[in-house]
Amino acid sequence: EDQVTQSPEALRLQEGESSSLNCSYTVSGLRGLFWYRQDPGKGPEFLFTLYSAGEEKEKERLKATLTKKESFLHITAPKPEDSATYLCAVQLNTDKLIFGTGTRLQVFP
Amino acid sequence: GAVVSQHPSRVICKSGTSVKIECRSLDFQATTMFWYRQFPKQSLMLMATSNEGSKATYEQGVEKDKFLINHASLTLSTLTVTSAHPEDSSFYICSARDFRGMNTEAFFGQGTRLTVV
Repeated sequence: EDQVTQSPEALRLQEGESSSLNCSYTVSGLRGLFWYRQDPGKGPEFLFTLYSAGEEKEKERLKATLTKKESFLHITAPKPEDSATYLCAVQLNTDKLIFGTGTRLQVFP
Repeated sequence: GAVVSQHPSRVICKSGTSVKIECRSLDFQATTMFWYRQFPKQSLMLMATSNEGSKATYEQGVEKDKFLINHASLTLSTLTVTSAHPEDSSFYICSARDFRGMNTEAFFGQGTRLTVV
């Protein structure tokens, strides 16, 4: 069964305290892995797409990496405005996206 | 990135009535759109895949007669919740994939908070 698991479920960081979010997946066919940010009451906002193991992408304080079994979203020196739920999703060969349950990140000043 | 607009953002309706939610791709054509449902503190669950000019494909357990999907043009898909009941209250989100260029990211609408009273 295709499955996407994110950890931790919730993460509290002090401003400036770097950390990493994990997305592990077990799927029959991977076409791509997506990271999204979701604020309360809003739709997901696209962050990154990763297509192959070893690929890395960066945007401001965020960096996403991909291996054959998992992806990490590294947050360097986070700020309070980085507080949100971060979702990862795996695109299957069938074109569907399977989402993880997300990591709720809170960054305190 | 591409823009997907969803309307309304919030709607309250009475039990037994129907509610229509619109999803538009504003700067690209979307032959395929997706409808998701999200419960509080849970992830997005795919309800159906909307195909322009043909019938939608529903996920297992989703009632197609209750959640009517119409994808009449390359920029518009609608989800109608028929005979709504309180258990249909949820956050509904649409997405569309932009196939221009090399990448195929899925972009999401702002979501619709449906409350059935």
